[in-house]
Amino acid sequence: DAGVTQSPTHLIKTRGQQVTLRCSPKSGHDTVSWYQQALGQGPQFIFQYYEEEERQRGNFPDRFSGHQFPNYSSELNVNALLLGDSALYLCASSSTDRGNTIYFGEGSWLTVV
Amino acid sequence: DAKTTQPTSMDCAEGRAANLPCNHSTISGNEYVYWYRQIHSQGPQYIIHGLKNNETNEMASLIITEDRKSSTLILPHATLRDTAVYYCIVRGRSNFGNEKLTFGTGTRLTIIP
Repeated sequence: DAGVTQSPTHLIKTRGQQVTLRCSPKSGHDTVSWYQQALGQGPQFIFQYYEEEERQRGNFPDRFSGHQFPNYSSELNVNALLLGDSALYLCASSSTDRGNTIYFGEGSWLTVV
Repeated sequence: DAKTTQPTSMDCAEGRAANLPCNHSTISGNEYVYWYRQIHSQGPQYIIHGLKNNETNEMASLIITEDRKSSTLILPHATLRDTAVYYCIVRGRSNFGNEKLTFGTGTRLTIIP
């Protein structure tokens, strides 16, 4: 049973560029969330997708957007990258009808230079 | 979401039980207590959760006080691989059942050989 998988694992972007991160949820899960974790801090909730719609959103600007596909996989897009967007981006998945426990992937390390 | 308070850091000797406390004095009746841990540079790992009864699984035990204002995570026989940051999180339920996780700063547990 594959867990939550994310790609790429590491990437470097230049300030002002755009980035897309991808996530496949754990088998049987229909809800995907994204978190940002800056160095030395706990993960911060960005948004959550269920039934291909954004259901909840944290305190992040509109430069952060997402998408969920019919197979439940998801993408996180960040436009106009800033140096402060450098962080570990975590994808998490859960099921609305299987106990709701949230499981995390290993994350994508984004460095903005 | 209710806030939690955890010690910043703790040490525990290898082979002994590690007891990690968490205070959540403002928890409401329908909120669960979740524990995750994060080993350096990896995604958070789910450990255990509970509502009001004590819980045990293959990783740990969770003891919740009768008034639900505090809890203790117990790792019965700590190993060096248990060195990590441990997060205690109080989580409610959204309308469709998948409320986000709000991370604090956690407890940095170091297992001493």
